[in-house]
Amino acid sequence: SQKIEQNSEALNIQEGKTATLTCNYTNYSPAYLQWYRQDPGRGPVFLLLIRENEKEKRKERLKVTFDTTLKQSLFHITASQPADSATNHCAPHSGNTPLVFGKGTRLSVIA
Amino acid sequence: KAGVTQTPRYLIKTRGQQVTLSCSPISGHRSVSWYQQTPGQGLQFLFEYFSETQRNKGNFPGRFSGRQFSNSRSEMNVSTLELGDSALYLCASSSRSAGPNTEAFFGQGTRLTVV
Repeated sequence: SQKIEQNSEALNIQEGKTATLTCNYTNYSPAYLQWYRQDPGRGPVFLLLIRENEKEKRKERLKVTFDTTLKQSLFHITASQPADSATNHCAPHSGNTPLVFGKGTRLSVIA
Repeated sequence: KAGVTQTPRYLIKTRGQQVTLSCSPISGHRSVSWYQQTPGQGLQFLFEYFSETQRNKGNFPGRFSGRQFSNSRSEMNVSTLELGDSALYLCASSSRSAGPNTEAFFGQGTRLTVV
């Protein structure tokens, strides 16, 4: 069955540095991969979607890569700020398959 | 445009009881998915409905069920509640008719506590 792994449960980083989160998947070949951000007590919010043929996508200080050979996506936040502290979830998917998420990585940006 | 609305926000039930949670999707969205979130387990997919039909189902026991109405509103039901069912239940809607590469919009969730 398909499996999604996000590199670590928690990541602490100093303000101003680049945070890098990893999402690995096995046993399937998704055509898309989405990243979401979730603040405590709230529902996840969509950040970015990347297609299998896009390799890299950027949005403001966010950058996402999608390597279908490694079966991996990297999520980067440059010049991180305390407001970036949240849990980030990845969801690789295809066609009409439902959005299935990894366990998430809790990012803490320390001032 | 109103977001996804889930009711109630908080709920306390006793073991053995049943519970019904409600979700109103964004107007025009026909796809509604439900997730269970517990500490350490992340977002676990329960089921997805599209135009009143269950399209996908996650790996949960039959005590968990759902339905979708003609106005796209959805309910999920959990019967014979167990302590382990205590969780944040999230509903997400999307415009799947626009294609598979569409984002999901989540509600605030219903925090269920089973005592």
